Amino acid sequence: GAVVSQHPSRVICKSGTSVKIECRSLDFQATTMFWYRQFPKQSLMLMATSNEGSKATYEQGVEKDKFLINHASLTLSTLTVTSAHPEDSSFYICSARQQGTMNTEAFFGQGTRLTVV
Amino acid sequence: GNSVTQMEGPVTLSEEAFLTINCTYTATGYPSLFWYVQYPGEGLQLLLKATKADDKGSNKGFEATYRKETTSFHLEKGSVQVSDSAVYFCALSIGGATNKLIFGTGTLLAVQP
Repeated sequence: GAVVSQHPSRVICKSGTSVKIECRSLDFQATTMFWYRQFPKQSLMLMATSNEGSKATYEQGVEKDKFLINHASLTLSTLTVTSAHPEDSSFYICSARQQGTMNTEAFFGQGTRLTVV
Repeated sequence: GNSVTQMEGPVTLSEEAFLTINCTYTATGYPSLFWYVQYPGEGLQLLLKATKADDKGSNKGFEATYRKETTSFHLEKGSVQVSDSAVYFCALSIGGATNKLIFGTGTLLAVQP
């Protein structure tokens, strides 16, 4: 299947700093990428949908100024957690859908474990 | 609204036991249904899917049948292995070019030798 690479896999940052997470589709072009957040022992919650070349669409309750999403190319989307606080500590996962298909399958990155201290 | 409910874990089984993880859904349209697996320290991988009623998805010995009448998509495997230990997520998406996946809470499966 298609490969989605997410980087870094693990990051620890100080409270008040910003952290950028990258999501790359390695062998296909992704028109749409999704960012999810997973709390311990809970399901993945969709944060936002990212379309190449346009603004991301955020789910209700997700602060767009805190979680900045950029989808500048068909192979790269970034999520920046600005002014991170301990409550932002979580597992963040991206997924990508292939351009030009109506295929319902989405391919996931390995996830990023963010710890804010 | 759209939602997915799956049985809480953890589910602990001995090797070669039969596995069932229940999943039911609520959807306003005609969803596609998925099972994803998350091995320790890794991201999600698609295990199987079904796009319409009565379809059966299967992969690696796992099966699930899309039951519209009971709004269910239970995951089964006849004989589990230690390597099947992971978290299993049931999910749905409603049709459209930007399908969003709605996940259940996940079920941890632990298979003991």
